[in-house]
Amino acid sequence: QAVVTQEPSLTVSPGGTVTLTCGSSTGGVTSRHYPYWFQQKAGQAPRTLIYDTSTKHSWTPARFSGSLLGGKAALTLSGAQPEDEADYYCLLSYAGPRVFGGGTNLTVL
Amino acid sequence: EVQLVESGGGLVQPGGSLRLSCADSGFTFSTYWMGWVRQAPGKGLEWVANIKQDGSEKYYVDSVKGRFTISRDNAKNSVFLQMNSLRVEDTAVYYCFTEFRAYWGQGTLVTVSS
Repeated sequence: QAVVTQEPSLTVSPGGTVTLTCGSSTGGVTSRHYPYWFQQKAGQAPRTLIYDTSTKHSWTPARFSGSLLGGKAALTLSGAQPEDEADYYCLLSYAGPRVFGGGTNLTVL
Repeated sequence: EVQLVESGGGLVQPGGSLRLSCADSGFTFSTYWMGWVRQAPGKGLEWVANIKQDGSEKYYVDSVKGRFTISRDNAKNSVFLQMNSLRVEDTAVYYCFTEFRAYWGQGTLVTVSS
């Protein structure tokens, strides 16, 4: 099965911008992997921020955006807020199976 | 409003079985892939299994192949996960997931322990 890679941890300053990435062991990530991005805060169920590369949910703050960047899926946070401190997971589709990345622990400090 | 409600979790001894259910509403269930995701204590998310709209294709993570079976009943808007030969390492919160806008259930805890 494919391996999906994410940065284990990142730190961003309040008001700053950070990009989380999601790579695939099988090659470049494309829109046909239908990249998803999820946010999970301590003790809570995951919440979908982005699906199909860049589509936001109704509850997704405008400061989050999804894209493809340099052969990877990317989640960009522009104007980080303290409440954005959380774990972020990407998910890629491989025609049939789906595979999660290991997650990125984002600190806002 | 989309709702996914899991049930069937609990405490089971190693080698035992459990059947998880997920009842869904608020979307056209039969037109979307459905899946199960789990999260062991203190660990990341792991895709467990998914099933195509008509049930003709099913995929599993290697660690559960031959032990878990995913199924669905489109008439009842439900998806199931039959878990046999459970191991201690299967202990996790199990979430139901729909690829309709990537909605999640709240999860059900499965604890495998003697």
